[in-house]
Amino acid sequence: AQSVAQPEDQVNVAEGNPLTVKCTYSVSGNPYLFWYVQYPNRGLQFLLKYITGDNLVKGSYGFEAEFNKSQTSFHLKKPSALVSDSALYFCAVRDKPNTGFQKLVFGTGTRLLVSP
Amino acid sequence: DTGVSQNPRHKITKRGQNVTFRCDPISEHNRLYWYRQTLGQGPEFLTYFQNEAQLEKSRLLSDRFSAERPKGSFSTLEIQRTEQGDSAMYLCASSWGLGSYNEQFFGPGTRLTVL
Repeated sequence: AQSVAQPEDQVNVAEGNPLTVKCTYSVSGNPYLFWYVQYPNRGLQFLLKYITGDNLVKGSYGFEAEFNKSQTSFHLKKPSALVSDSALYFCAVRDKPNTGFQKLVFGTGTRLLVSP
Repeated sequence: DTGVSQNPRHKITKRGQNVTFRCDPISEHNRLYWYRQTLGQGPEFLTYFQNEAQLEKSRLLSDRFSAERPKGSFSTLEIQRTEQGDSAMYLCASSWGLGSYNEQFFGPGTRLTVL
């Protein structure tokens, strides 16, 4: 089965500094990868996805992610963090892509804290 | 289009009672999903509908759980004889298309507390 791992429970960064939230994946075949963000008492918001093509994917709110096949990673990045970026971030992978199955498999999440 | 909506937002019930949650997807979306999220964990897939057909069910969906999507519009998730272990956030999501690469849009969730 497909899986993703988020090795850091929490990432701390100062406002204005670059941020990276790590995600590694384990899949058979080509991965379909997603990043979502969750603010307190709210549902998940889609940030970006990698399906195929350019390894650098740009998404919402200035976020981007780099797909690295050799390292099986899909790290989320932002050049300059904002205090309002503080939230819970989830990496996810489509289970059984190119089949009728639609299930997303999520990581355990990484809490991002951006200090003023 | 105001996004995916879920009702109620919070539900407190006593063990053994039945509860029902409702999800209204984005109007043009043909696919609808239910997930469950417990504290400190990522969402876990429960079930998936394409239009009115329930095409995929997780082993997490025990016999006490049932989901419907009549007429391919809104969906309901019912839990019978609730247990304390059912306490969680229940998330609904929807998406459009036939491929497996379209992103899912999530609602705000229904938080269930079983006393």
